[in-house]
Amino acid sequence: QSVLTQPPSVSGAPGQRVTISCTGSSSNIGAGYDVHWYQQLPGTAPKLLIYGNSNRPSGVPDRFSGSKSGTSASLAITGLQAEDEADYYCQSYDSSLSEVFGGGTKLTVL
Amino acid sequence: QVQLVQSGAEVKKPGSSVKVSCKASGGTFSSYTISWVRQAPGQGLEWMGRIIPILGIANYAQKFQGRVTITADKSTSTAYMELSSLRSEDTAVYYCARSVPFRGFDPWGQGTLVTVSS
Repeated sequence: QSVLTQPPSVSGAPGQRVTISCTGSSSNIGAGYDVHWYQQLPGTAPKLLIYGNSNRPSGVPDRFSGSKSGTSASLAITGLQAEDEADYYCQSYDSSLSEVFGGGTKLTVL
Repeated sequence: QVQLVQSGAEVKKPGSSVKVSCKASGGTFSSYTISWVRQAPGQGLEWMGRIIPILGIANYAQKFQGRVTITADKSTSTAYMELSSLRSEDTAVYYCARSVPFRGFDPWGQGTLVTVSS
């Protein structure tokens, strides 16, 4: 069971907007620690998508955005494209001195 | 541009140990933290521990305490993760990743498949 909770799956049609939630607790997200998001395409290593709650690394399209409030964070993807079909993971730090991940969300583009 | 290249796939017997390497190029190896993350087949990501090469200090997830050892060789810019007392549930892809404060894990190594089977 993951420390951060994500929905197992989300889906959307091309061009639509989808959001993926990431719920933590007062010992991680709620304690003020940053949330980062990763995209994992099938058979590949995860790739940093959003860091520091809402920042995009160079090369990541602005269709991807992140936000954080209280003990939760969200990843939004607008203008959904077929190549966005992947697994998405949130990650933060916990007061137990560990990095923690969400269980992952599989995005299906219909 | 930092790149992390990991050693190749391993097949191990239950009860044995495995040591996976992660060689860094670009950047200043000693100045950043290397974490190890594993992913069992069809499962999510699980953080195992980290090392700060410049300090030689490693921290481990409670789940792996006593079974995992993370080290770093500054002379070759290589980090290592050794997992002992292997069992079938340790079958997974093991990743190394650089972590920078407030900037997440980036980049990641390509992953190393470790299969534990009798």
